[in-house]
Amino acid sequence: KNEVEQSPQNLTAQEGEFITINCSYSVGISALHWLQQHPGGGIVSLFMLSSGKKKHGRLIATINIQEKHSSLHITASHPRDSAVYICAARLLQGAQKLVFGQGTRLTINP
Amino acid sequence: DGGITQSPKYLFRKEGQNVTLSCEQNLNHDAMYWYRQDPGQGLRLIYYSQIVNDFQKGDIAEGYSVSREKKESFPLTVTSAQKNPTAFYLCASSSDRGPWRPQHFGDGTRLSIL
Repeated sequence: KNEVEQSPQNLTAQEGEFITINCSYSVGISALHWLQQHPGGGIVSLFMLSSGKKKHGRLIATINIQEKHSSLHITASHPRDSAVYICAARLLQGAQKLVFGQGTRLTINP
Repeated sequence: DGGITQSPKYLFRKEGQNVTLSCEQNLNHDAMYWYRQDPGQGLRLIYYSQIVNDFQKGDIAEGYSVSREKKESFPLTVTSAQKNPTAFYLCASSSDRGPWRPQHFGDGTRLSIL
């Protein structure tokens, strides 16, 4: 079992829908990253959070440390939000390694 | 604008050949990283470097080699010892000297075996 699991693996929705992508981890972490990978392959860092909630535009990231769970929400989704979304957990122990989820492929249809 | 430049975007290799992937950053970051991405899997760390002339193995270093002679450059060589080199390779850098904290990513190089 991977230390970081994302769900769903694939998500297709209509423009305007509210989107939720989930990330669960099984180890102690110091922070969790949400990344966006564009169809060409480049990756952009969206959020890094260790508690509570962060918001940037239509994107909201939350984390519940006790439940070892984080969510990425997209409000009023748009076709340009279509991408692979990746969560990565920075481990507490050892060298504070980053462990990546397998990604969620999001497709927003017009 | 500052960023990370990876080249080439697509690379083809014949079996038995070594190939070198380029990664250059102008962000003045100390730490640089190489990741491998396979379909349906999370990114896996190949090598990282926290400072010039120093680098450490990641989780899947076998069959790969790196150098860090300049702060802005961290080339990755995929050697003939890497039995399954077909993958997407991503370079990253971080202003943190602490390991395992990438913040900026390049656009990647897709390597295929002919």
